[in-house]
Amino acid sequence: DAGITQSPRHKVTETGTPVTLRCHQTENHRYMYWYRQDPGHGLRLIHYSYGVKDTDKGEVSDGYSVSRSKTEDFLLTLESATSSQTSVYFCAISESSGNHNEQFFGPGTRLTVL
Amino acid sequence: AQSVTQLDSQVPVFEEAPVELRCNYSSSVSVYLFWYVQYPNQGLQLLLKYLSGSTLVKGINGFEAEFNKSQTSFHLRKPSVHISDTAEYFCAVGRYNQGGKLIFGQGTELSVKP
Repeated sequence: DAGITQSPRHKVTETGTPVTLRCHQTENHRYMYWYRQDPGHGLRLIHYSYGVKDTDKGEVSDGYSVSRSKTEDFLLTLESATSSQTSVYFCAISESSGNHNEQFFGPGTRLTVL
Repeated sequence: AQSVTQLDSQVPVFEEAPVELRCNYSSSVSVYLFWYVQYPNQGLQLLLKYLSGSTLVKGINGFEAEFNKSQTSFHLRKPSVHISDTAEYFCAVGRYNQGGKLIFGQGTELSVKP
């Protein structure tokens, strides 16, 4: 298994509070991705990173920000959580080129916003 | 715009029966395709991938898929399913030179009954 961990694995928070999810990899892969998984929608890309301090938006980036200060860590922040952000969040990594390489997924974080 | 449609949200099947999970995509440029499997409360694992070459792709656990460019389809098949194949299956499409970004289908729940 690819060395990807996500923390926390479960979190319950209240509307309006900030939340940060962490993805940590030990594979030294260049590309990292954050997805959210919702019933009937599959996985949707939130943000991705193609190197340290290099990030870009995905298809559902509103309300989310990311940071990547080290190769191994990719943080996803909800500045002010809303109930619509209740979801399961997956981090994924991919090898250096990014093109047509498979993505390896972490175990997920289940976030509930009350 | 690129999109992926998995035509069946749920597929119930009896053990040892054959199964086909359907995936159609839309794209005006060349693509590469994946099928991922997600077992309950886990992340996604790669089943198989099509990059180029032979249109029939074999994956793990006895699954195979056929790329059909004219019908823009990438259907997943298994001749005889087991109880352990019960999971959610996702089709994903990527375009070259897009930073490895993938578009996922909505998912198909395969339920194998004894």
